[in-house]
Amino acid sequence: QVQLQESGPGLVKPSQTLSLTCTVSGGSISSGGYYWSWIRQHPGKGLEWIGYIYYSGSTYYNPSLKSRVTISVDTSKNQFSLKLSSVTAADTAVYYCARGLLPQLWFDPWGQGTLVTVSS
Amino acid sequence: QSVLTQPPSASGTPGQRVTISCSGSSSNIGSNYVYWYQQLPGTAPKLLIYRNNQRPSGVPDRFSGSKSGTSASLAISGLRSEDEADYYCAAWDDSLSGGEVFGGGTKLTVL
Repeated sequence: QVQLQESGPGLVKPSQTLSLTCTVSGGSISSGGYYWSWIRQHPGKGLEWIGYIYYSGSTYYNPSLKSRVTISVDTSKNQFSLKLSSVTAADTAVYYCARGLLPQLWFDPWGQGTLVTVSS
Repeated sequence: QSVLTQPPSASGTPGQRVTISCSGSSSNIGSNYVYWYQQLPGTAPKLLIYRNNQRPSGVPDRFSGSKSGTSASLAISGLRSEDEADYYCAAWDDSLSGGEVFGGGTKLTVL
């Protein structure tokens, strides 16, 4: 079955760019029909959807984060990535990647998540 | 605060039936499917209910979902200790500031 695994730095300095990669195994990103997504969870808080990318490269971002977010896909490596610019302490969170399905976007399965702390 | 409103906590004793509510608006729950996720302590969320009331394979039929108007509910019958977790509702929001929105989560305690 499909599995997802996040990777990237656990510590990012304020004002810098957070970069994470999600590696998909057990299935091909290029197979279509899925919307590869990023979701985050602030410590002790609820879930916040960041955005998704389709294998063709089309994207859709959370309007509240849109100005700082870029999601890209590398089908040759079966990976997709998240970049969040100009980070502050408010971006400290556990970041999850997930496979998104329609209608109206739902997520299954999820990666295990990775904690990113923004601090100098 | 979250676009979808859930009670922060719920509790029950083993064997009881518990319901968790999720309130939204016409732009999200009122016009789109509702999804539920279970997050066991220290783990990633897992899909529990999709398209309002459908269970993925492997999810016990003790879990059920329903929707009416701009609200939805998750019911857990025959409560078990392993059901102690955080539960989140989610839906697509059609408004200009929308996208996928989640509830704030409900922490279920099995007494």
